[in-house]
Amino acid sequence: SAVISQKPSRDICQRGTSLTIQCQVDSQVTMMFWYRQQPGQSLTLIATANQGSEATYESGFVIDKFPISRPNLTFSTLTVSNMSPEDSSIYLCSVQPSSSYNEQFFGPGTRLTVL
Amino acid sequence: DAKTTQPPSMDCAEGRAANLPCNHSTISGNEYVYWYRQIHSQGPQYIIHGLKNNETNEMASLIITEDRKSSTLILPHATLRDTAVYYCIVRVGGSARQLTFGSGTQLTVLP
Repeated sequence: SAVISQKPSRDICQRGTSLTIQCQVDSQVTMMFWYRQQPGQSLTLIATANQGSEATYESGFVIDKFPISRPNLTFSTLTVSNMSPEDSSIYLCSVQPSSSYNEQFFGPGTRLTVL
Repeated sequence: DAKTTQPPSMDCAEGRAANLPCNHSTISGNEYVYWYRQIHSQGPQYIIHGLKNNETNEMASLIITEDRKSSTLILPHATLRDTAVYYCIVRVGGSARQLTFGSGTQLTVLP
């Protein structure tokens, strides 16, 4: 299994500013993902965070808006840049340990409100 | 990944079995059925997965039809803490890939 923590757990930000969300895992994992969950909606994948290389973004998400870092196998950050109210969502980090290709583990999420 | 269809909501009385259906008529031979749930204000949690045989663990049972075009997640004795959104996901098994979430079923367990 994997235990994931995210910081901050929630934040209220002003339009035009940026917020960096941290994801820390208690063990080394190969695959890390960032999801967004807009109010009342399901989860949508933003990107796959690749260790040592640029993240792989899904359609509709770009690096300038959601830069991601993955400096090692236990840590990743997602930045939400130049925020607008439409960015108000829950952002979730997820990992898939190489020992368990059939189960993904999710962090508790970061609840972001943009005013 | 094959598309799945689930009812948007269901109710279940506490202590009774909750049967959550999922339609996946375009499933491929190498795709598994996975179930996750998301309790309010928490990240999704893995429940169970299967290929073609019925599966059971400490949380639930998974019944997959013989043609594999549909499945049912069974919570044998639902409690109030089982109130959550349940997601049925189909994808290739044993692969290091992201999950594609549909809209899921909101299960409400009533006292």
